[in-house]
Formats: sequence, C-alpha cells, structure tokens
Amino acid sequence: GENVEQHPSTLSVQEGDSAVIKCTYSDSASNYFPWYKQELGKGPQLIIDIRSNVGEKKDQRIAVTLNKTAKHFSLHITETQPEDSAVYFCAASTVRSGSRLTFGEGTQLTVNP
Amino acid sequence: DTAVSQTPKYLVTQMGNDKSIKCEQNLGHDTMYWYKQDSKKFLKIMFSYNNKELIINETVPNRFSPKSPDKAHLNLHINSLELGDSAVYFCASSRSGQADSPLHFGNGTRLTVT
Repeated sequence: GENVEQHPSTLSVQEGDSAVIKCTYSDSASNYFPWYKQELGKGPQLIIDIRSNVGEKKDQRIAVTLNKTAKHFSLHITETQPEDSAVYFCAASTVRSGSRLTFGEGTQLTVNP
Repeated sequence: DTAVSQTPKYLVTQMGNDKSIKCEQNLGHDTMYWYKQDSKKFLKIMFSYNNKELIINETVPNRFSPKSPDKAHLNLHINSLELGDSAVYFCASSRSGQADSPLHFGNGTRLTVT
C-alpha cells in the first residue's frame, strides 16, 4: 500500500519568514496530493491540493510543488503569520485506492511573532 | 452553520463500557468517514460509507461498528472499550467516493478510556 513520509515533524519560523514542508510517497500511481491544516481543537481543513498532471499550484501565500519523478511534493508558505501556526498534513491517493487517503505524520508549524 | 458536526466533543468512560459517537453532515455529500487520530497526531481511516453502503473497512477490531441510517448520518458504536481506544475520532464527508474528492472534517470527539 501507499506510504507517505513527511518532514520535518516540527518547524519554528519567525513571522514573515517562509516555511517549507516536504513529503515523499511510495506508490508511483498516486495522482492526488492534498494538504490539510489542523488548528488546535479542530478537525483538519483542506488548504490546497494538486493533481499529478500539474507541477505547481499557488493560492495567495501558499503553494504546492510536485515532482513525480522523485515522488515528492512540498508545501511552501510565504510571509508567515502567527495564525499560520498549526499542524499540517500532506496526503496522497490513487484512483484505485478509491476514497482512501494516506496521510503523512504531520508537521507542527509555529510562527513566532 | 456547521457542515460536519459530531457529538459529543468529549467522552470520558471506563474500560469495558459501550459508547456511541454521532455524526451528521449538511453538505449533501454522498460519502462519510471515520478517522482515528492517535496521541502522535497520526490520522488513519477506519471506515467509509457511500450512500449508506460500507465501502472501506480497515483493520479495525470488530468492537467498532459503524452505522449509517441515511447518507447524512454516520454513527460509530464501540463495545467493550479498552485503554488503547483513547484517541480523537474524526468524522468526515466528501462529495463523492472518488480519490480526489476533498474531505470535510468535523471537530472531533476526544475519547478517554480510564
């Protein structure tokens, strides 16, 4: 089955700096890669996703890049703000896995004011 | 308006008891899920229902039994609770059961078994 590894497990940055979280996946048939943000006491919320026919996607301060050859994808947050502090999860799925998403282990991002 | 709501938010109970968690979504989605998040924040799918039909049943003890009375509701009943069942349980829904259909999560039920 699919295996998703996520690094780093914790990340601390100063407000205004950029943050990068990286994930690798094992199943070359994976074709959908969402990122979820989980704030304290809440459920994960989708913030951006990318499909395998696209190499990069941006939405304001967040962007995701995908390298299918190397089987890794990354989340980039620019101009970080204290409200970006949360746990971020990457995930991957394939068509044949149906609705089964495999999540990474999460990254606790702390943005220091 | 809460899109995916689950109750209770906190559940403290003793080993051996039976408990239920309820979930409702008002998004009109066809597919609902139960996920378990352990103390290390790892998220793992337990069950998935599409239009009241079970489509994913991961390796979960049969003490856990999901029930979907209609496509807007998915409840989780747990028998003979054990200490290792302590975790946060998240209900989620998606428009379809397709792999690229975004998940909408509830805010979780923190289960503590003493």
